[in-house]
Amino acid sequence: ILNVEQSPQSLHVQEGDSTNFTCSFPSSNFYALHWYRWETAKSPEALFVMTLNGDEKKKGRISATLNTKEGYSYLYIKGSQPEDSATYLCAFNGWGSNFGNEKLTFGTGTRLTIIP
Amino acid sequence: SQTIHQWPATLVQPVGSPLSLECTVEGTSNPNLYWYRQAAGRGLQLLFYSVGIGQISSEVPQNLSASRPQDRQFILSSKKLLLSDSGFYLCAWGRYEQYFGPGTRLTVT
Repeated sequence: ILNVEQSPQSLHVQEGDSTNFTCSFPSSNFYALHWYRWETAKSPEALFVMTLNGDEKKKGRISATLNTKEGYSYLYIKGSQPEDSATYLCAFNGWGSNFGNEKLTFGTGTRLTIIP
Repeated sequence: SQTIHQWPATLVQPVGSPLSLECTVEGTSNPNLYWYRQAAGRGLQLLFYSVGIGQISSEVPQNLSASRPQDRQFILSSKKLLLSDSGFYLCAWGRYEQYFGPGTRLTVT
Protein backbone atom coordinates (compact mmCIF):
# COMPACT_ATOMS: atom_id res chain seq x y z
CA ILE A 1 0.00 0.00 0.00
CA LEU A 2 1.45 3.36 -1.03
CA ASN A 3 1.51 6.16 1.54
CA VAL A 4 0.77 9.60 0.19
CA GLU A 5 0.31 12.07 3.00
CA GLN A 6 -0.64 15.72 3.03
CA SER A 7 -0.31 18.25 5.78
CA PRO A 8 -1.91 20.12 7.27
CA GLN A 9 -5.38 18.61 6.90
CA SER A 10 -6.95 22.04 7.00
CA LEU A 11 -5.75 25.60 7.02
CA HIS A 12 -7.34 29.02 7.53
CA VAL A 13 -5.46 31.91 6.00
CA GLN A 14 -6.17 35.62 6.01
CA GLU A 15 -6.80 37.15 2.60
CA GLY A 16 -3.57 38.58 1.23
CA ASP A 17 -1.30 36.27 3.22
CA SER A 18 0.86 33.64 1.57
CA THR A 19 0.73 30.00 2.54
CA ASN A 20 2.15 26.60 1.69
CA PHE A 21 1.43 22.96 2.37
CA THR A 22 3.13 19.62 1.92
CA CYS A 23 2.70 16.34 0.13
CA SER A 24 4.95 13.40 1.01
CA PHE A 25 5.16 10.28 -1.11
CA PRO A 26 7.35 7.19 -1.63
CA SER A 27 10.76 8.12 -3.00
CA SER A 28 11.20 4.83 -4.85
CA ASN A 29 9.69 3.96 -8.25
CA PHE A 30 8.72 7.59 -8.78
CA TYR A 31 7.17 8.57 -12.10
CA ALA A 32 5.20 11.79 -11.51
CA LEU A 33 3.54 13.92 -8.86
CA HIS A 34 0.27 15.71 -9.58
CA TRP A 35 -1.47 18.58 -7.80
CA TYR A 36 -5.22 19.08 -8.14
CA ARG A 37 -7.51 21.81 -6.89
CA TRP A 38 -10.97 20.63 -5.79
CA GLU A 39 -13.69 23.16 -5.14
CA THR A 40 -16.90 22.08 -3.43
CA ALA A 41 -19.50 20.75 -5.88
CA LYS A 42 -17.02 20.75 -8.78
CA SER A 43 -14.60 18.25 -10.33
CA PRO A 44 -10.96 18.17 -9.25
CA GLU A 45 -8.99 20.40 -11.61
CA ALA A 46 -5.41 19.58 -12.55
CA LEU A 47 -2.91 22.26 -11.48
CA PHE A 48 0.52 20.76 -12.08
CA VAL A 49 2.28 17.59 -13.15
CA MET A 50 5.91 17.29 -12.09
CA THR A 51 8.29 14.56 -13.11
CA LEU A 52 11.87 15.70 -12.47
CA ASN A 53 13.66 16.18 -9.18
CA GLY A 54 13.98 19.89 -8.57
CA ASP A 55 11.02 20.72 -10.85
CA GLU A 56 9.32 23.98 -10.06
CA LYS A 57 6.03 24.88 -11.71
CA LYS A 58 4.07 28.12 -11.55
CA LYS A 59 0.54 29.15 -12.49
CA GLY A 60 -0.33 32.70 -11.54
CA ARG A 61 0.02 33.02 -7.76
CA ILE A 62 0.34 29.26 -7.24
CA SER A 63 3.62 27.39 -7.52
CA ALA A 64 4.92 23.95 -6.62
CA THR A 65 8.29 22.34 -6.02
CA LEU A 66 9.37 18.71 -6.13
CA ASN A 67 12.02 16.70 -4.30
CA THR A 68 11.89 13.09 -5.50
CA LYS A 69 14.95 11.96 -3.53
CA GLU A 70 13.35 12.73 -0.19
CA GLY A 71 9.77 12.26 -1.38
CA TYR A 72 8.05 15.58 -0.89
CA SER A 73 6.40 18.39 -2.80
CA TYR A 74 5.34 21.84 -1.60
CA LEU A 75 2.47 23.90 -2.96
CA TYR A 76 2.71 27.66 -2.42
CA ILE A 77 0.00 30.27 -2.76
CA LYS A 78 1.11 33.89 -2.77
CA GLY A 79 -1.28 36.65 -1.73
CA SER A 80 -4.26 34.37 -1.00
CA GLN A 81 -7.64 35.38 -2.39
CA PRO A 82 -11.12 34.08 -1.41
CA GLU A 83 -11.34 32.16 -4.70
CA ASP A 84 -8.33 30.08 -3.58
CA SER A 85 -10.55 28.38 -1.00
CA ALA A 86 -10.63 24.71 -2.01
CA THR A 87 -9.18 21.33 -1.16
CA TYR A 88 -5.75 20.77 -2.70
CA LEU A 89 -4.95 17.16 -3.53
CA CYS A 90 -1.65 15.64 -4.49
CA ALA A 91 -1.43 12.33 -6.35
CA PHE A 92 1.52 10.02 -6.86
CA ASN A 93 2.28 8.09 -10.06
CA GLY A 94 4.72 5.26 -9.53
CA TRP A 95 6.14 2.41 -11.55
CA GLY A 96 5.80 -1.17 -10.56
CA SER A 97 2.13 -1.97 -10.38
CA ASN A 98 0.54 -4.16 -13.01
CA PHE A 99 -0.97 -0.97 -14.31
CA GLY A 100 2.42 0.56 -15.20
CA ASN A 101 2.48 4.25 -14.47
CA GLU A 102 -1.22 4.84 -15.09
CA LYS A 103 -2.53 4.62 -11.55
CA LEU A 104 -2.71 7.60 -9.23
CA THR A 105 -2.59 7.30 -5.46
CA PHE A 106 -4.12 10.36 -3.84
CA GLY A 107 -3.39 12.04 -0.55
CA THR A 108 -6.25 13.02 1.73
CA GLY A 109 -5.96 16.68 0.76
CA THR A 110 -5.42 20.02 2.47
CA ARG A 111 -8.61 22.00 2.90
CA LEU A 112 -7.77 25.69 2.52
CA THR A 113 -10.16 28.44 3.67
CA ILE A 114 -9.33 32.05 2.94
CA ILE A 115 -10.76 34.50 5.46
CA PRO A 116 -11.76 37.82 3.85
CA SER B 1 -12.16 18.53 -26.94
CA GLN B 2 -12.84 15.80 -24.44
CA THR B 3 -15.82 15.85 -22.10
CA ILE B 4 -16.78 13.51 -19.32
CA HIS B 5 -20.34 13.13 -18.08
CA GLN B 6 -21.65 11.51 -14.93
CA TRP B 7 -25.17 10.99 -13.69
CA PRO B 8 -27.07 11.35 -11.56
CA ALA B 9 -25.55 14.31 -9.71
CA THR B 10 -27.13 13.32 -6.40
CA LEU B 11 -28.82 10.17 -5.20
CA VAL B 12 -30.48 9.10 -1.97
CA GLN B 13 -31.04 5.38 -1.70
CA PRO B 14 -32.17 3.07 1.13
CA VAL B 15 -29.93 0.33 2.48
CA GLY B 16 -30.32 -2.85 0.48
CA SER B 17 -31.41 -1.14 -2.73
CA PRO B 18 -29.49 -1.50 -6.02
CA LEU B 19 -27.24 1.15 -7.53
CA SER B 20 -26.24 2.15 -11.03
CA LEU B 21 -24.02 5.14 -11.76
CA GLU B 22 -23.06 5.93 -15.30
CA CYS B 23 -20.09 7.71 -16.81
CA THR B 24 -19.49 8.52 -20.47
CA VAL B 25 -16.58 10.21 -22.20
CA GLU B 26 -16.69 12.12 -25.48
CA GLY B 27 -13.91 13.24 -27.78
CA THR B 28 -11.44 10.41 -27.22
CA SER B 29 -11.22 6.74 -28.01
CA ASN B 30 -10.04 3.79 -25.94
CA PRO B 31 -9.48 5.86 -22.80
CA ASN B 32 -8.45 4.38 -19.49
CA LEU B 33 -11.45 4.87 -17.19
CA TYR B 34 -11.52 5.03 -13.41
CA TRP B 35 -14.05 5.08 -10.57
CA TYR B 36 -13.04 6.80 -7.34
CA ARG B 37 -14.89 7.35 -4.10
CA GLN B 38 -14.40 9.90 -1.37
CA ALA B 39 -16.05 8.85 1.87
CA ALA B 40 -16.60 11.42 4.64
CA GLY B 41 -13.26 12.50 6.11
CA ARG B 42 -11.26 10.30 3.74
CA GLY B 43 -9.18 10.83 0.63
CA LEU B 44 -9.98 9.79 -2.92
CA GLN B 45 -9.91 6.02 -3.11
CA LEU B 46 -9.55 4.19 -6.42
CA LEU B 47 -12.31 1.58 -6.74
CA PHE B 48 -12.02 0.27 -10.31
CA TYR B 49 -10.10 0.96 -13.48
CA SER B 50 -10.50 -0.23 -17.03
CA VAL B 51 -8.12 -0.25 -19.98
CA GLY B 52 -10.70 -1.44 -22.52
CA ILE B 53 -14.16 -2.88 -23.15
CA GLY B 54 -14.91 -5.67 -20.70
CA GLN B 55 -11.58 -5.22 -18.89
CA ILE B 56 -12.08 -4.24 -15.27
CA SER B 57 -9.61 -4.29 -12.40
CA SER B 58 -10.79 -3.91 -8.84
CA GLU B 59 -8.68 -2.16 -6.26
CA VAL B 60 -10.76 -2.71 -3.16
CA PRO B 61 -12.95 -5.72 -2.40
CA GLN B 62 -16.47 -4.57 -1.61
CA ASN B 63 -20.07 -4.98 -2.67
CA LEU B 64 -19.61 -2.74 -5.71
CA SER B 65 -18.91 -3.83 -9.26
CA ALA B 66 -18.06 -2.07 -12.50
CA SER B 67 -18.67 -2.77 -16.14
CA ARG B 68 -17.54 -1.28 -19.42
CA PRO B 69 -20.05 -2.30 -22.07
CA GLN B 70 -18.82 0.25 -24.62
CA ASP B 71 -15.51 1.97 -25.28
CA ARG B 72 -16.49 5.25 -23.64
CA GLN B 73 -19.02 4.05 -21.07
CA PHE B 74 -18.22 2.99 -17.53
CA ILE B 75 -20.88 1.85 -15.07
CA LEU B 76 -20.64 1.40 -11.31
CA SER B 77 -23.20 -0.94 -9.76
CA SER B 78 -24.28 -2.58 -6.58
CA LYS B 79 -26.95 -5.21 -5.95
CA LYS B 80 -27.48 -4.16 -2.33
CA LEU B 81 -26.20 -0.88 -0.92
CA LEU B 82 -24.67 -0.59 2.53
CA LEU B 83 -24.58 2.51 4.73
CA SER B 84 -20.81 2.58 4.22
CA ASP B 85 -21.32 3.08 0.47
CA SER B 86 -22.31 6.70 1.08
CA GLY B 87 -19.87 9.14 -0.41
CA PHE B 88 -18.89 11.16 -3.43
CA TYR B 89 -18.22 9.08 -6.54
CA LEU B 90 -16.00 10.40 -9.29
CA CYS B 91 -15.36 8.98 -12.72
CA ALA B 92 -12.12 9.90 -14.49
CA TRP B 93 -10.47 9.24 -17.81
CA GLY B 94 -6.89 9.51 -18.94
CA ARG B 95 -3.64 7.68 -18.56
CA TYR B 96 -0.94 9.12 -16.41
CA GLU B 97 -2.85 12.42 -16.29
CA GLN B 98 -6.46 12.02 -15.29
CA TYR B 99 -9.50 14.22 -15.85
CA PHE B 100 -12.54 14.03 -13.66
CA GLY B 101 -16.28 14.12 -14.17
CA PRO B 102 -18.65 16.24 -12.07
CA GLY B 103 -19.29 13.47 -9.55
CA THR B 104 -22.30 11.84 -7.87
CA ARG B 105 -23.16 12.44 -4.23
CA LEU B 106 -24.64 9.17 -2.91
CA THR B 107 -26.37 9.04 0.46
CA VAL B 108 -27.46 5.64 1.70
CA THR B 109 -30.14 5.89 4.39
